[in-house]
Amino acid sequence: QQPVQSPQAVILREGEDAVINCSSSKALYSVHWYRQKHGEAPVFLMILLKGGEQKGHDKISASFNEKKQQSSLYLTASQLSYSGTYFCGTVPIQGGSEKLVFGKGTKLTVNP
Amino acid sequence: NAGVTQTPKFRVLKTGQSMTLLCAQDMNHEYMYWYRQDPGMGLRLIHYSVGEGTTAKGEVPDGYNVSRLKKQNFLLGLESAAPSQTSVYFCASSYSGSGLTEAFFGQGTRLTVV
Repeated sequence: QQPVQSPQAVILREGEDAVINCSSSKALYSVHWYRQKHGEAPVFLMILLKGGEQKGHDKISASFNEKKQQSSLYLTASQLSYSGTYFCGTVPIQGGSEKLVFGKGTKLTVNP
Repeated sequence: NAGVTQTPKFRVLKTGQSMTLLCAQDMNHEYMYWYRQDPGMGLRLIHYSVGEGTTAKGEVPDGYNVSRLKKQNFLLGLESAAPSQTSVYFCASSYSGSGLTEAFFGQGTRLTVV
């Protein structure tokens, strides 16, 4: 079952901030975040593991609330290069599953 | 290192034809995945493998078969292609399970079934 991402699309001006949310109905081992540019393969941003940690990657950071099975990706002072589609991927705990399942994506457009 | 390599990059099939997509990784990864990507649907997991000789169904396995005879290769087969299988197919691999390590993606295969 795919995790649910919101919003579906975001349009920003350069320098503005954005938050992308990801939620699952299942208890999770981990949450992944990837960015995909048009016509290219998804590229890894970060992993958040069970334990509620927060991670950062330049001006992009993320949090994982394991009680709510929710993760948020924070993009601050957005740059033109941030444009793309962002996917969260989740690995559920139940049944020893090793499935890495992705959401439908959030399309981010950063304009000058 | 080449990373994850998919063959072919583009293919056009007629309805009913069969084909095999090859995914090869040179990172000694245990875990490999096949996804399809359709507009508005994100990446949907077709099948995956947790090691040589093992395969398991993902979220949308119908119409596809897979094999992992060698650790570095993961094959995706379409026995009788249908227009609904027109999609971009991505292979990915990761070192460990439970989502503890990042997944590396191939460049994708664009398949059109007419």
